Amino acid sequence: DAGVIQSPRHEVTEMGQEVTLRCKPISGHDYLFWYRQTMMRGLELLIYFNNNVPIDDSGMPEDRFSAKMPNASFSTLKIQPSEPRDSAVYFCASSPSGGGPFNEQFFGPGTRLTVL
Amino acid sequence: GESVGLHLPTLSVQEGDNSIINCAYSNSASDYFIWYKQESGKGPQFIIDIRSNMDKRQGQRVTVLLNKTVKHLSLQIAATQPGDSAVYFCAENRKYGGATNKLIFGTGTLLAVQP
Repeated sequence: DAGVIQSPRHEVTEMGQEVTLRCKPISGHDYLFWYRQTMMRGLELLIYFNNNVPIDDSGMPEDRFSAKMPNASFSTLKIQPSEPRDSAVYFCASSPSGGGPFNEQFFGPGTRLTVL
Repeated sequence: GESVGLHLPTLSVQEGDNSIINCAYSNSASDYFIWYKQESGKGPQFIIDIRSNMDKRQGQRVTVLLNKTVKHLSLQIAATQPGDSAVYFCAENRKYGGATNKLIFGTGTLLAVQP
């Protein structure tokens, strides 16, 4: 089982550039989540999808952030334009249906983003 | 913000001892709680969960205790091993009225197992 796959694993970019993070959830999972982790703010839920539909995006910090899920096996998190304060580790997670969205989430390895 | 992590509390234990990691939550309407383990350079890994209609749940070498009266959650690890060294997070499914839920993570506790 491949688990949740994220790419790239590391991204270094300059302020003002567009950044796209990618995620492939575990096959058969109906929920997909995007998280951000920093030392200052810990682990924060940004947005989550159910059956490819965004359910709660209240954690998305600004309009510069957007997320899409065009099909059940792929999601993107885009930051445009990026700023140094966006530097963090971004995790994607997925979970099966049944029992609620937050049951037993499986996390990917994360993308470490550095914005210079 | 609702999750602030300026300083990680640390629990240092000897290999073979039992570990107890504590977590306090604030919302009495929270109905579901989860413990995650995060090793350096990796994503959080689900350990065990518990619903608010339970006081205790056991897994393999781990036990979660929930005290709703004082809004306290604990994770007990039996016979702690070096491989248990990691940051442990509790998370609560916090209800905001209607059908709105948010998963709120605690700041985490670093467990350091001494051989």
